[in-house]
Amino acid sequence: GDSVTQTEGLVTLTKGLPVMLNCTYQTTYSPFLFWYVQHLNEAPKLLLKSSTDNKRTEHQGFYATLHKSSSSFHLQKSSVQLSDSALYFCALSDDTNTGKLTFGDGTVLTVKP
Amino acid sequence: AQTIHQWPVAEIKAVGSPLSLGCTIKGKSSPNLYWYWQATGGTLQQLFYSITVGQVESVVQLNLSASRPKDDQFILSTEKLLLSHSGFYLCAFYGGANAETLYFGSGTRLTVL
Repeated sequence: GDSVTQTEGLVTLTKGLPVMLNCTYQTTYSPFLFWYVQHLNEAPKLLLKSSTDNKRTEHQGFYATLHKSSSSFHLQKSSVQLSDSALYFCALSDDTNTGKLTFGDGTVLTVKP
Repeated sequence: AQTIHQWPVAEIKAVGSPLSLGCTIKGKSSPNLYWYWQATGGTLQQLFYSITVGQVESVVQLNLSASRPKDDQFILSTEKLLLSHSGFYLCAFYGGANAETLYFGSGTRLTVL
């Protein structure tokens, strides 16, 4: 079956530093990848999405590129802010009819002053 | 604009008591609707999905049930709560230009004591 792996459970950084959150996936279908961000006591919100190979997608200073050759969709930002502290999920979809969105375990990003 | 409303915002219930959580979506006809569950700090687990009124598919067995009484309404319930039911319950639907993006409601925080 489909799977998503996020290798970092917790990332702690100082404000202004760059960050990369890893996401790799496995699927036998054509992948559609998503990054969701969830702030404390809130619902997850879409941050980025892509199904196009080797094309960078950006939103709110975050960016990611889907690389089908390496089955990866890493999330990056050049300079993190305190407000970026949140739980980040990578997710994989290959069948929208059933809503079978497979989520990774999530990465908690904590940004310190 | 498509909106999704969940109720209640939070519940504190005793073990063995019944539960009913609701979700209403506006601005989208015949939506595919989903229930997700999230343990505190954990990943998102799909519980049920419904493509049409009166039809609900179960994804995991957690002693919960779901119903789709109306096109715009999705209900999650159980007659007897367990401690393990505590968590964050999220209703979701697919939106976006090609209906490829999962959007979540604001969620219900359930504490079972």
